[in-house]
Amino acid sequence: EAQVTQNPRYLITVTGKKLTVTCSQNMNHEYMSWYRQDPGLGLRQIYYSMNVEVTDKGDVPEGYKVSRKEKRNFPLILESPSPNQTSLYFCASTLTGGGNTEAFFGQGTRLTVV
Amino acid sequence: AQSVTQLGSHVSVSEGALVLLRCNYSSSVPPYLFWYVQYPNQGLQLLLKYTSAATLVKGINGFEAEFKKSETSFHLTKPSAHMSDAAEYFCAVSAPMAAGGGGNKLTFGTGTQLKVEL
Repeated sequence: EAQVTQNPRYLITVTGKKLTVTCSQNMNHEYMSWYRQDPGLGLRQIYYSMNVEVTDKGDVPEGYKVSRKEKRNFPLILESPSPNQTSLYFCASTLTGGGNTEAFFGQGTRLTVV
Repeated sequence: AQSVTQLGSHVSVSEGALVLLRCNYSSSVPPYLFWYVQYPNQGLQLLLKYTSAATLVKGINGFEAEFKKSETSFHLTKPSAHMSDAAEYFCAVSAPMAAGGGGNKLTFGTGTQLKVEL
């Protein structure tokens, strides 16, 4: 089954404790992105990757890191989480960066930073 | 830069009534437009997309949307609401990120929560 898998689904952590949210897709998609969803703000792009070893900042990259060492994986790293990073996070992948391609989303990771 | 405006963060309809969710876009180039749906505790899934082939686009679960260039709109409709349609709906626009082959960026609206009442 074609899917994007994120782990964990729920995470509660303390300020400053490094964490990683994993994302994996099994569709051989080139393009992957991370979004955060906040009430009243919709989804905002954090980082994206056009292919292995090619990443770039989205609209809200501060406080986040990503890497793309393999095509299928695109982890999101919070080196020193802060309470304002409490949010719902989604990973998405598309076959290419073309404009009419459908994005496939993971189930989301609800992160709480206390 | 492209943007999307969804009018009404919450819409409530009776079961069997018409659903109308509004979306207006801004784009410097001919846009690709999408509607995604998010059911509780799930990720987003594609309802339908406009890619310039036809202005009236039919999607899953009886939804459709009409692209109106003169109004820069892409409103989502369904003739008869069902309880299972209760979800959050996002309009999105895809446009080139920048010159130089950077691919397209998907920009989302702020979402509309649809409530369906008996």
